[in-house]
Amino acid sequence: SQQGEEDPQALSIQEGENATMNCSYKTSINNLQWYRQNSGRGLVHLILIRSNEREKHSGRLRVTLDTSKKSSSLLITASRAADTASYFCATDAVSNTGKLIFGQGTTLQVKP
Amino acid sequence: EPEVTQTPSHQVTQMGQEVILRCVPISNHLYFYWYRQILGQKVEFLVSFYNNEISEKSEIFDDQFSVERPDGSNFTLKIRSTKLEDSAMYFCASSEARRRDSYEQYFGPGTRLTVT
Repeated sequence: SQQGEEDPQALSIQEGENATMNCSYKTSINNLQWYRQNSGRGLVHLILIRSNEREKHSGRLRVTLDTSKKSSSLLITASRAADTASYFCATDAVSNTGKLIFGQGTTLQVKP
Repeated sequence: EPEVTQTPSHQVTQMGQEVILRCVPISNHLYFYWYRQILGQKVEFLVSFYNNEISEKSEIFDDQFSVERPDGSNFTLKIRSTKLEDSAMYFCASSEARRRDSYEQYFGPGTRLTVT
C-alpha cells in the first residue's frame, strides 16, 4: 500500500452516529494532518497531530496516532449531514521538505 | 481569518497553450506549495518553494512546469505547453515558518484546469 492509505474507502451512516476513518502510512513522519474536501471544492484543514502526540481533540473531532503501527484514526462524533465530504490524511515525512503525501481518502455520507 | 486565494477558479485552454495559475498565500507564510488532483484521484505534490527557490519537486514537475514569486504576495505556476493529461484541479498551499513538526499547510480553493 502507499503512504497515507485510508480505510474504509466509503462510509455511510445516519445523522447522530459516530464515524471512524483510519489511515496507514509507511515512513517516519514529522506530523500527520487530516483534511476535508467537499465535492469538487478545496481542502479544508481539520487537525494536525505531531509525531510525539498520541491523541488530539478539536470540537467533535478526535484524532489518534500510533507511530509504532504507523496508523492514525479520525473520529467524528455525533455526525451531521453537513459532515458529508471526503476526508484525507496527509503525512509530512521526516525525510521530506514539508511536502504532504495524501491518501486516497474516505468518502463519508451522513444521511439525515 | 486569513486564507489562501487562487485565480482563476476555472481555466479552459487548448492543448499546447501556456497557462499561468495564480495564488496569493497567507501573508506571513514563507513556504509555498503546488499540488494537483486529477478527477477522482488523490492529491499529488508538485513542488515546494522557499526563499525564492524550489525546495523539492516531484516527477510530475518536469520542464514544462515552472514556479515564480514575482512580488511579495503572488505565487504562480506556469505550464508552458499544456497536454490533455494536465487537466486537473491545481491547489496552492502555504505554511508558516515554524518547527517542522507543526507546519500546518493551508490550501486555496483550487483552479480547475481543463485542457481541450
